[in-house]
Amino acid sequence: NAGVTQTPKFRVLKTGQSMTLLCAQDMNHEYMYWYRQDPGMGLRLIHYSVGEGTTAKGEVPDGYNVSRLKKQNFLLGLESAAPSQTSVYFCATTPLRIAGGTLGTDTQYFGPGTRLTVL
Amino acid sequence: GEDVEQSLFLSVREGDSSVINCTYTDSSSTYLYWYKQEPGAGLQLLTYIFSNMDMKQDQRLTVLLNKKDKHLSLRIADTQTGDSAIYFCAESIKLNTDKLIFGTGTRLQVFP
Repeated sequence: NAGVTQTPKFRVLKTGQSMTLLCAQDMNHEYMYWYRQDPGMGLRLIHYSVGEGTTAKGEVPDGYNVSRLKKQNFLLGLESAAPSQTSVYFCATTPLRIAGGTLGTDTQYFGPGTRLTVL
Repeated sequence: GEDVEQSLFLSVREGDSSVINCTYTDSSSTYLYWYKQEPGAGLQLLTYIFSNMDMKQDQRLTVLLNKKDKHLSLRIADTQTGDSAIYFCAESIKLNTDKLIFGTGTRLQVFP
Protein backbone atom coordinates (compact mmCIF):
# COMPACT_ATOMS: atom_id res chain seq x y z
CA ASN A 1 0.00 0.00 0.00
CA ALA A 2 1.98 2.98 -1.28
CA GLY A 3 -0.62 5.66 -0.50
CA VAL A 4 -0.08 8.70 -2.70
CA THR A 5 2.95 8.78 -4.99
CA GLN A 6 4.18 11.48 -7.33
CA THR A 7 6.41 11.21 -10.38
CA PRO A 8 8.94 12.71 -10.91
CA LYS A 9 10.43 13.97 -7.65
CA PHE A 10 12.53 16.65 -9.32
CA ARG A 11 12.57 18.25 -12.76
CA VAL A 12 14.27 21.16 -14.45
CA LEU A 13 12.66 22.60 -17.57
CA LYS A 14 13.49 25.37 -19.98
CA THR A 15 10.92 28.05 -20.68
CA GLY A 16 8.44 26.82 -23.27
CA GLN A 17 8.96 23.13 -22.64
CA SER A 18 6.08 20.90 -21.68
CA MET A 19 5.79 18.15 -19.10
CA THR A 20 3.30 16.05 -17.18
CA LEU A 21 3.32 15.34 -13.48
CA LEU A 22 1.73 12.09 -12.40
CA CYS A 23 -0.10 11.49 -9.14
CA ALA A 24 -1.07 7.92 -8.34
CA GLN A 25 -3.05 6.59 -5.38
CA ASP A 26 -3.93 3.08 -4.33
CA MET A 27 -6.51 3.97 -1.67
CA ASN A 28 -9.52 4.06 -4.01
CA HIS A 29 -10.16 7.70 -3.09
CA GLU A 30 -12.64 9.68 -5.13
CA TYR A 31 -11.25 13.18 -4.80
CA MET A 32 -7.82 14.22 -6.00
CA TYR A 33 -6.15 17.62 -5.91
CA TRP A 34 -3.11 19.41 -7.26
CA TYR A 35 -1.55 22.18 -5.18
CA ARG A 36 1.49 24.33 -5.62
CA GLN A 37 3.54 25.54 -2.69
CA ASP A 38 5.52 28.76 -2.88
CA PRO A 39 7.49 30.46 -0.10
CA GLY A 40 5.32 32.61 2.12
CA MET A 41 2.15 31.66 0.26
CA GLY A 42 1.12 28.33 1.68
CA LEU A 43 -0.58 25.88 -0.62
CA ARG A 44 -2.76 27.03 -3.47
CA LEU A 45 -5.20 24.77 -5.25
CA ILE A 46 -4.56 24.47 -9.00
CA HIS A 47 -7.15 21.93 -10.14
CA TYR A 48 -9.09 19.14 -8.53
CA SER A 49 -11.24 16.17 -9.45
CA VAL A 50 -14.25 14.74 -7.67
CA GLY A 51 -14.18 11.48 -9.57
CA GLU A 52 -12.97 9.62 -12.63
CA GLY A 53 -13.54 11.65 -15.77
CA THR A 54 -14.16 14.92 -13.92
CA THR A 55 -11.95 17.95 -13.36
CA ALA A 56 -12.50 21.44 -12.01
CA LYS A 57 -10.49 24.62 -11.63
CA GLY A 58 -9.05 25.67 -8.35
CA GLU A 59 -7.58 28.96 -7.22
CA VAL A 60 -4.68 29.22 -9.70
CA PRO A 61 -5.53 27.12 -12.80
CA ASP A 62 -3.96 29.25 -15.54
CA GLY A 63 -1.12 27.60 -17.43
CA TYR A 64 -2.06 24.11 -16.25
CA ASN A 65 -4.29 21.34 -17.53
CA VAL A 66 -5.35 18.14 -15.81
CA SER A 67 -6.88 14.82 -16.66
CA ARG A 68 -8.45 12.02 -14.62
CA LEU A 69 -8.92 9.19 -17.08
CA LYS A 70 -8.45 6.56 -14.41
CA LYS A 71 -9.65 6.82 -10.83
CA GLN A 72 -6.21 6.14 -9.41
CA ASN A 73 -4.31 8.70 -11.50
CA PHE A 74 -4.48 12.47 -11.70
CA LEU A 75 -2.19 14.12 -14.23
CA LEU A 76 -1.06 17.74 -14.17
CA GLY A 77 0.23 19.14 -17.45
CA LEU A 78 2.23 22.21 -18.27
CA GLU A 79 1.97 22.90 -22.00
CA SER A 80 4.47 25.75 -22.12
CA ALA A 81 6.39 26.12 -18.90
CA ALA A 82 7.18 29.58 -17.53
CA PRO A 83 9.59 30.61 -14.75
CA SER A 84 6.54 31.63 -12.66
CA GLN A 85 5.66 27.94 -12.52
CA THR A 86 8.81 27.15 -10.56
CA SER A 87 7.36 25.65 -7.41
CA VAL A 88 6.84 22.51 -5.38
CA TYR A 89 3.76 20.63 -6.51
CA PHE A 90 1.75 18.45 -4.17
CA CYS A 91 -0.96 15.99 -4.97
CA ALA A 92 -3.59 15.07 -2.38
CA THR A 93 -6.54 12.70 -2.17
CA THR A 94 -9.70 12.38 -0.10
CA PRO A 95 -12.24 9.56 0.13
CA LEU A 96 -15.77 10.20 -1.00
CA ARG A 97 -17.53 12.46 1.46
CA ILE A 98 -20.43 10.72 3.14
CA ALA A 99 -23.20 13.02 4.35
CA GLY A 100 -23.01 13.17 8.13
CA GLY A 101 -19.92 11.00 8.04
CA THR A 102 -16.92 11.17 10.30
CA LEU A 103 -13.90 13.34 9.81
CA GLY A 104 -12.09 10.49 8.09
CA THR A 105 -13.92 11.40 4.93
CA ASP A 106 -12.49 14.92 5.01
CA THR A 107 -8.83 14.21 5.62
CA GLN A 108 -6.53 14.93 2.73
CA TYR A 109 -3.61 12.61 2.17
CA PHE A 110 -0.61 14.21 0.53
CA GLY A 111 2.06 12.92 -1.79
CA PRO A 112 5.74 13.69 -1.18
CA GLY A 113 5.87 16.53 -3.70
CA THR A 114 7.55 17.33 -7.02
CA ARG A 115 10.10 20.13 -7.14
CA LEU A 116 9.95 21.84 -10.52
CA THR A 117 12.36 24.51 -11.68
CA VAL A 118 11.74 26.42 -14.92
CA LEU A 119 14.74 28.29 -16.28
CA GLY B 1 -13.69 35.93 1.01
CA GLU B 2 -11.57 33.01 2.02
CA ASP B 3 -8.33 33.85 3.78
CA VAL B 4 -6.27 32.02 6.37
CA GLU B 5 -3.39 33.82 8.06
CA GLN B 6 -0.51 32.65 10.21
CA SER B 7 2.67 34.18 11.53
CA LEU B 8 5.69 32.99 9.56
CA PHE B 9 8.14 32.01 12.29
CA LEU B 10 8.23 30.73 15.84
CA SER B 11 11.31 29.80 17.82
CA VAL B 12 11.14 27.95 21.15
CA ARG B 13 13.47 26.18 23.53
CA GLU B 14 13.28 22.42 23.82
CA GLY B 15 10.91 21.43 26.63
CA ASP B 16 8.88 24.63 26.46
CA SER B 17 5.37 24.84 25.03
CA SER B 18 4.78 26.17 21.52
CA VAL B 19 1.65 28.00 20.49
CA ILE B 20 0.98 28.47 16.80
CA ASN B 21 -1.86 30.78 15.89
CA CYS B 22 -4.14 31.03 12.89
CA THR B 23 -6.98 33.32 11.89
CA TYR B 24 -9.54 32.61 9.21
CA THR B 25 -12.29 34.64 7.64
CA ASP B 26 -14.96 32.23 6.43
CA SER B 27 -17.57 31.73 9.14
CA SER B 28 -19.05 28.75 7.30
CA SER B 29 -15.99 26.59 7.99
CA THR B 30 -16.92 23.05 8.93
CA TYR B 31 -13.60 21.53 9.92
CA LEU B 32 -10.30 23.15 10.78
CA TYR B 33 -7.04 21.27 10.48
CA TRP B 34 -3.43 21.40 11.48
CA TYR B 35 -0.90 19.85 9.12
CA LYS B 36 2.83 19.36 9.67
CA GLN B 37 5.41 19.48 6.91
CA GLU B 38 8.92 18.25 7.57
CA PRO B 39 11.75 19.27 5.23
CA GLY B 40 11.45 17.71 1.79
CA ALA B 41 8.21 15.93 2.62
CA GLY B 42 4.52 16.32 1.97
CA LEU B 43 1.95 17.47 4.48
CA GLN B 44 0.89 15.18 7.28
CA LEU B 45 -2.37 15.66 9.13
CA LEU B 46 -1.67 16.29 12.81
CA THR B 47 -5.08 16.96 14.24
CA TYR B 48 -8.38 18.61 13.47
CA ILE B 49 -11.37 20.17 15.15
CA PHE B 50 -14.98 20.38 14.13
CA SER B 51 -16.32 23.89 14.04
CA ASN B 52 -18.82 23.35 16.86
CA MET B 53 -16.04 22.37 19.29
CA ASP B 54 -14.01 24.73 21.47
CA MET B 55 -11.11 22.50 22.33
CA LYS B 56 -9.57 19.21 21.41
CA GLN B 57 -6.64 17.52 23.14
CA ASP B 58 -4.57 14.77 21.58
CA GLN B 59 -1.53 13.75 23.62
CA ARG B 60 0.89 16.70 23.46
CA LEU B 61 -1.34 18.65 21.11
CA THR B 62 -4.15 20.97 22.17
CA VAL B 63 -6.31 22.76 19.63
CA LEU B 64 -8.33 25.76 20.72
CA LEU B 65 -11.02 27.28 18.56
CA ASN B 66 -12.58 30.67 19.14
CA LYS B 67 -15.31 30.73 16.55
CA LYS B 68 -16.47 34.23 17.48
CA ASP B 69 -13.02 35.67 16.74
CA LYS B 70 -12.30 33.09 13.99
CA HIS B 71 -9.08 32.18 15.76
CA LEU B 72 -7.49 28.74 15.89
CA SER B 73 -4.41 27.77 17.85
CA LEU B 74 -2.22 24.71 18.19
CA ARG B 75 -0.35 24.19 21.44
CA ILE B 76 2.48 21.66 21.54
CA ALA B 77 3.48 20.72 25.06
CA ASP B 78 7.06 19.75 25.89
CA THR B 79 8.28 20.73 22.44
CA GLN B 80 11.04 18.51 21.06
CA THR B 81 13.60 19.06 18.30
CA GLY B 82 11.62 16.58 16.21
CA ASP B 83 8.74 19.05 16.24
CA SER B 84 10.76 21.47 14.11
CA ALA B 85 8.76 21.79 10.89
CA ILE B 86 6.31 24.03 9.09
CA TYR B 87 2.79 23.92 10.48
CA PHE B 88 -0.19 24.76 8.29
CA CYS B 89 -3.69 25.45 9.42
CA ALA B 90 -6.46 24.83 6.92
CA GLU B 91 -10.19 25.23 6.80
CA SER B 92 -12.75 23.17 4.94
CA ILE B 93 -15.49 25.43 3.72
CA LYS B 94 -17.65 23.57 1.26
CA LEU B 95 -19.50 20.40 2.01
CA ASN B 96 -19.44 18.82 -1.40
CA THR B 97 -15.91 19.26 -2.63
CA ASP B 98 -13.68 19.01 0.43
CA LYS B 99 -11.72 22.01 -0.73
CA LEU B 100 -9.24 23.18 1.81
CA ILE B 101 -7.92 26.70 2.20
CA PHE B 102 -4.44 26.67 3.64
CA GLY B 103 -2.64 29.26 5.66
CA THR B 104 0.84 30.41 4.72
CA GLY B 105 2.49 28.11 7.24
CA THR B 106 4.44 28.79 10.45
CA ARG B 107 8.01 27.59 10.62
CA LEU B 108 8.68 26.25 14.11
CA GLN B 109 12.31 26.05 15.14
CA VAL B 110 13.16 24.23 18.36
CA PHE B 111 16.58 24.87 19.85
CA PRO B 112 18.31 22.98 22.69
